[in-house]
Amino acid sequence: QVQLQESGPGLVKPSQTLSLTCTVSGASISSGAYYWTWIRQHPGEGLEWMGYIHSSGGASYNPSLKSRVTISVDTSRNQFSLKLNSVTAADTALYYCARDSQSGYGGFDYWGQGTLVTVSS
Amino acid sequence: QSALTQPASVSGSPGQSITISCTGTSSDVGGYNYVSWYQQHPGKAPKLLIYDVSNRPSGVSNRFSGSKSGNTASLTISGLQAEDEADYYCCSYTRSSTLVFGGGTKVTVL
Repeated sequence: QVQLQESGPGLVKPSQTLSLTCTVSGASISSGAYYWTWIRQHPGEGLEWMGYIHSSGGASYNPSLKSRVTISVDTSRNQFSLKLNSVTAADTALYYCARDSQSGYGGFDYWGQGTLVTVSS
Repeated sequence: QSALTQPASVSGSPGQSITISCTGTSSDVGGYNYVSWYQQHPGKAPKLLIYDVSNRPSGVSNRFSGSKSGNTASLTISGLQAEDEADYYCCSYTRSSTLVFGGGTKVTVL
């Protein structure tokens, strides 16, 4: 059974960098068959695609976040990570990691349970 | 990139069919057959219902179906059940090789 689990600080100070890791079990990131994605949801709002990475290192990011976001992959640990710098209160959200089973075209078949990150001093 | 447009809410009685629309542009929904749909119950992670406009993953009820015409994709729920009460989101691939979600639709079973 494929499982994804987000981990990282639940509280980040404004202007600092938000860092989250997604640990994948039951599937190998290095298989190259999937695109590994971060999606966030502001409280009471809809979903926002943040970006994805492939095991090859190829990545794509939401243009609205492109200057602040980096997604990386560690195939040895079967993990991928999100870094979002210069955070503000507007980055307070529930952050999900997910697997895109459709080659980056959308088809998020497995999700983590989500981790709430609050940006506050 | 702008979010895809979905109605804020749709309602129906048990047993009825409802349709949720998802409107984009020729740069996303209209340009590619890569629209997916998700169901999200309160406090839960979203669940994939449809991918590539009309394909259902294994295990998803055949009461859920997807289609597309021009720049608008649609999700139809037939034989509406109480458990279908949830938020629904569409998602499309875009010309910029990115993905964009719709704003979400709250489905209420009367």
